Amino acid sequence: GDSVTQTEGLVTLTEGLPVMLNCTYQSTYSPFLFWYVQHLNEAPKLLLKSFTDNKRPEHQGFHATLHKSSSSFHLQKSSAQLSDSALYYCASQTGNTGKLIFGLGTTLQVQP
Amino acid sequence: NSKVIQTPRYLVKGQGQKAKMRCIPEKGHPVVFWYQQNKNNEFKFLINFQNQEVLQQIDMTEKRFSAECPSNSPCSLEIQSSEAGDSALYLCASSPLGYAEQFFGPGTRLTVL
Repeated sequence: GDSVTQTEGLVTLTEGLPVMLNCTYQSTYSPFLFWYVQHLNEAPKLLLKSFTDNKRPEHQGFHATLHKSSSSFHLQKSSAQLSDSALYYCASQTGNTGKLIFGLGTTLQVQP
Repeated sequence: NSKVIQTPRYLVKGQGQKAKMRCIPEKGHPVVFWYQQNKNNEFKFLINFQNQEVLQQIDMTEKRFSAECPSNSPCSLEIQSSEAGDSALYLCASSPLGYAEQFFGPGTRLTVL
């Protein structure tokens, strides 16, 4: 079945350094890919969604590029901020029912 | 910001008790999803609706879990006989289309003692 893999459980880095969180997926069909961010005791919030026309989505300084050849949708940001500390989920969506399949999440800790 | 409303925010039940939680989707969103997020932060899809019709549900949902989305009323998820393993954050999400981004509510945190 479909699956999403996030290889890092925890990423710790210093403010101002670049961020890259990994996401790869397995799917029989071409899925939509999403990044959600969840702060402590809050709802997951949509950060990015892949486009069908291979445009690169950007939001709040984050961007991600869907690479079908490598089945990846890595999340990147050029300069981490303290407020970026949160739990980040990659999710895929295929099929006409629309359910999301989530990875296990990556906790990003940005230190001063 | 998401406008999905979930009540109650916290729910504490004893084993064997019923647990019911509600969700009001964003206005204009006919598709509603329920997910369970466990203590390890793993998400599990439970069921989804388009308007009042069930689109898909997992096997677990067919046994102790029941859900509905009546017209002009909040959607609801009910666990008939709660078990300790049901302790989790139950998230409701709504979407303008079945195949589009989903917007999550704050969740109902269920604790089964």
